[in-house]
Amino acid sequence: EAGVTQFPSHSVIEKGQTVTLRCDPISGHDNLYWYRRVMGKEIKFLLHFVKESKQDESGMPNNRFLAERTGGTYSTLKVQPAELEDSGVYFCASSQASGYEQYFGPGTRLTVT
Amino acid sequence: GQQLNQSPQSMFIQEGEDVSMNCTSSSIFNTWLWYKQDPGEGPVLLIALYKAGELTSNGRLTAQFGITRKDSFLNISASIPSDVGIYFCAGRGSNYKLTFGKGTLLTVNP
Repeated sequence: EAGVTQFPSHSVIEKGQTVTLRCDPISGHDNLYWYRRVMGKEIKFLLHFVKESKQDESGMPNNRFLAERTGGTYSTLKVQPAELEDSGVYFCASSQASGYEQYFGPGTRLTVT
Repeated sequence: GQQLNQSPQSMFIQEGEDVSMNCTSSSIFNTWLWYKQDPGEGPVLLIALYKAGELTSNGRLTAQFGITRKDSFLNISASIPSDVGIYFCAGRGSNYKLTFGKGTLLTVNP
């Protein structure tokens, strides 16, 4: 069974540009999460989808971040316009309905210059 | 918001030694999870704990869910070089989101 996959693995963009990250969860997992780890800090929750619905977006930093999960399969996280402080590693995770065990993807390392 | 205090921040041990790390919180969690992250990879789930007082093993790894529901520890016995990495604790409350500790960087000298 394939794990959580993320694309791209790395992205380097300039301040003010737009970047879109993609996550494909484990097949059959209704729950999909986005997390972020900024250098030197802990991994922090951004938001949670149940199928195509946003269940909890309390961790989204501001309105420059937009997450979607059309059709309840893969998800995208768009940052527009990117700022320097958005640099970090963005992780996606998925879980079955119970949500107890979350499985993480390899992450996308975003560098904003 | 909820915070987890994970310690130690880093450990340098010799191959074959046992190692212990722990997490404490001022808040109660319903589930404790322990993850390991290798360089360039995402966190990999090692052990999940669901009940206060629960003690669970996975090979050389043993973890416990504290009775107060505010702490957990992870022990690794007879360490080997491939145990090197960053270990994270994570707690889950009444909702689905995980709160992570800052991680313990483990180095094992052969």
